Amino acid sequence: NAGVTQTPKFRILKIGQSMTLQCAQDMNHNYMYWYRQDPGMGLKLIYYSVGAGITDKGEVPNGYNVSRSTTEDFPLRLELAAPSQTSVYFCASVDRGPEAFFGQGTRLTVV
Amino acid sequence: AQSVAQPEDQVNVAEGNPLTVKCTYSVSGNPYLFWYVQYPNRGLQFLLKYITGDNLVKGSYGFEAEFNKSQTSFHLKKPSALVSDSALYFCAVRGGSGGYQKVTFGIGTKLQVIP
Repeated sequence: NAGVTQTPKFRILKIGQSMTLQCAQDMNHNYMYWYRQDPGMGLKLIYYSVGAGITDKGEVPNGYNVSRSTTEDFPLRLELAAPSQTSVYFCASVDRGPEAFFGQGTRLTVV
Repeated sequence: AQSVAQPEDQVNVAEGNPLTVKCTYSVSGNPYLFWYVQYPNRGLQFLLKYITGDNLVKGSYGFEAEFNKSQTSFHLKKPSALVSDSALYFCAVRGGSGGYQKVTFGIGTKLQVIP
């Protein structure tokens, strides 16, 4: 039981490049979330999903896309990277707990 | 809209002294309240939660938190601080009326325990 696994841990992108941040959980949780963490700003919700095939926007969805084809996986896609997307990204999942389980994070720098 | 306020960017406390990290919230209905801790270059780890029942909840690593409905507060406490408690602490709130409920996090409070 690995919990929530995020890959990669670090990435440097050039402006305009695209990439996918991977998130997988093995706890059979229905709810999954993507957050970004910026200094002094706490965590902002980008997208969330309440189950396979169902996704919705959070507070800061612009510039991102998600999909949820399986219960386990919830990838986050950046199509045209911008410096404003430099951040630490966290994936989380929730069952009926109701506490969230977080991945280790992906530190993304856009230059 | 629900919100969480952590009024202190940083809290400094001497090792062995009691510590308090403050949190107030605003939410419709009965809240679910959480504290998470984040160590450098790590994800957030769940510490404790309040859903219902006793206003004093106990969590991991000797931490506890007191729910005060009239003051809409959920302060994190520990009787005797350790240097290893130094980390970033987040308070979070979620509406408790069932189904999907958004979780809102505070901006975090850095706890520095001085040897």
